[in-house]
Amino acid sequence: KAGVTQTPRYLIKTRGQQVTLSCSPISGHRSVSWYQQTPGQGLQFLFEYFSETQRNKGNFPGRFSGRQFSNSRSEMNVSTLELGDSALYLCASSPGAADPRAFFGQGTRLTVV
Amino acid sequence: DQQVKQNSPSLSVQEGRISILNCDYTNSMFDYFLWYKKYPAEGPTFLISISSIKDKNEDGRFTVFLNKSAKHLSLHIVPSQPGDSAVYFCAASARDDKIIFGKGTRLHILP
Repeated sequence: KAGVTQTPRYLIKTRGQQVTLSCSPISGHRSVSWYQQTPGQGLQFLFEYFSETQRNKGNFPGRFSGRQFSNSRSEMNVSTLELGDSALYLCASSPGAADPRAFFGQGTRLTVV
Repeated sequence: DQQVKQNSPSLSVQEGRISILNCDYTNSMFDYFLWYKKYPAEGPTFLISISSIKDKNEDGRFTVFLNKSAKHLSLHIVPSQPGDSAVYFCAASARDDKIIFGKGTRLHILP
């Protein structure tokens, strides 16, 4: 089984721009979660999608948004980028309630200049 | 408010000895606990998990212990190997809710 795939791996954007990150979950997994990792802050939860619906949401501003498609693939979007948005963005997929384990992709390293 | 706390930012252990990584949580609704290992520039890798109905789960060199009354869990690695050097994240979730991660403990295995 292929693992979680995130694209692109690296991205450099300018302040004020917007960015879209993509995540393809493990085949058969219906839940996709997004996390932001910055030095000293660990993994901070952004949001979770299950069957195309946002099921949980973290404490991030509205500039951060996401969606999930019918094939479970997910995208997250950050608008009006700020320098502080520079981070590793990680996507994780889970089979569902019967198996709560999350399996992560390699992440997208976003640098805002 | 941090619901999952890893109070040791780093830990150094001699190769061959036991590594013990600790984690505390505050939310009594958590019923599932996980440990992840992370190398630089890679995503976290699932290591081992435990349900709140158990107090111990073992997988090879890795054992997780859960003390519900103390809201504490620990990961034991025996024997520690050089490839175990990484950042370890403790995580917890309540049913159908998001997984909350601690800030991680960097483990150094010394030769």
